[in-house]
Amino acid sequence: DSGVTQTPKHLITATGQRVTLRCSPRSGDLSVYWYQQSLDQGLQFLIQYYNGEERAKGNILERFSAQQFPDLHSELNLSSLELGDSALYFCASSVEAGGGTDTQYFGPGTRLTVL
Amino acid sequence: GQQLNQSPQSMFIQEGEDVSMNCTSSSIFNTWLWYKQDPGEGPVLLIALYKAGELTSNGRLTAQFGITRKDSFLNISASIPSDVGIYFCAGQGAYSGAGSYQLTFGKGTKLSVIP
Repeated sequence: DSGVTQTPKHLITATGQRVTLRCSPRSGDLSVYWYQQSLDQGLQFLIQYYNGEERAKGNILERFSAQQFPDLHSELNLSSLELGDSALYFCASSVEAGGGTDTQYFGPGTRLTVL
Repeated sequence: GQQLNQSPQSMFIQEGEDVSMNCTSSSIFNTWLWYKQDPGEGPVLLIALYKAGELTSNGRLTAQFGITRKDSFLNISASIPSDVGIYFCAGQGAYSGAGSYQLTFGKGTKLSVIP
């Protein structure tokens, strides 16, 4: 158990809908990272928040957005869902903003299925 | 963007055999990480490497950070059935502005162990 929690574990929805994925980082960690894992693309970095502020952006679509709240939990919002958005979404957390020996620990993931 | 080439893509080995997998990159990384992912779970950190040339062990696992900083390998000795899973390498580059501490992942090596 990494100490990172994600809810829900599974999510099934229809095209065009909007969903919210939730992540609670390990106690004491200030950074939250979101990743998408699909069969053909592997693990792709989406976005990082550090202490409530956006820190880094990766391959995140404009239909997707995230935020980190004062209690440091984070939410990833996916809107206007398409079939191709079906994937595993992972959250990771680290103590600081990254770099050096600041290690990322991953949550168990949310499996999103868009029908 | 940065890309990691991880090989082999999959391996079938007999229990007790040693395993070797590697990652190469066209870019320099400051940190190399090896993760293992079991089905339906998030990646779990196995070994972290922070210095070029560093050789680090974790039980039956040994990993090395290449001298050129563009490659890393992972060895598993005396494989057992619970070694089954997907192994990912990940590289973390130097900071060069917002976004540069993100991890770049290889596509993974799927390991199957035949009892």
